Amino acid sequence: GQQLNQSPQSMFIQEGEDVSMNCTSSSIFNTWLWYKQDPGEGPVLLIALYKAGELTSNGRLTAQFGITRKDSFLNISASIPSDVGIYFCAGRGETSGSRLTFGEGTQLTVNP
Amino acid sequence: DSGVTQTPKHLITATGQRVTLRCSPRSGDLSVYWYQQSLDQGLQFLIQYYNGEERAKGNILERFSAQQFPDLHSELNLSSLELGDSALYFCASSEWDYSRETQYFGPGTRLLVL
Repeated sequence: GQQLNQSPQSMFIQEGEDVSMNCTSSSIFNTWLWYKQDPGEGPVLLIALYKAGELTSNGRLTAQFGITRKDSFLNISASIPSDVGIYFCAGRGETSGSRLTFGEGTQLTVNP
Repeated sequence: DSGVTQTPKHLITATGQRVTLRCSPRSGDLSVYWYQQSLDQGLQFLIQYYNGEERAKGNILERFSAQQFPDLHSELNLSSLELGDSALYFCASSEWDYSRETQYFGPGTRLLVL
């Protein structure tokens, strides 16, 4: 089946620093989504990408759909303490219909 | 608030028991998805229903079953529970069954099997 490798697994940064995380897939994806999950809550959608090469921003967050359609990255600029949480990439392959495959998550800690 | 509701929020039960988790999708959404999140497996797709019909199946055990009712709410039934079934169970919904759609997640049900 489809597999997503997300890295890094965890990050410890200082407030104000920029953050970058990425996901790679074993197969071609036609949708990439980035979610954030706070403790005890469900994942919340941050950014959705539908086209190879697409670059989309949501405030301090920017994500890109890789040209090969097998990867995506998420950047967070000027991090703040409320950015703490687990960030997941998720994607859909060409034959997976509307189901999502999730990466393992990146645990982000921001020190004030 | 995503508009997706799940009950109960927490559930503690014993091995061998059966439980039912309930999900109400966002108003107007026809698709409901169930996911399991455990420490060692991450978020795994279990099953999808669209307008009352099963649409797709993932890594769902035979001890688990689901259904979607005419009012579009869905229930996930877990039976003969084992310790390893302890996890967070999320429901998500989307308007249609279309590969470009966004899925909105509920707050989850935390199941603890003792």
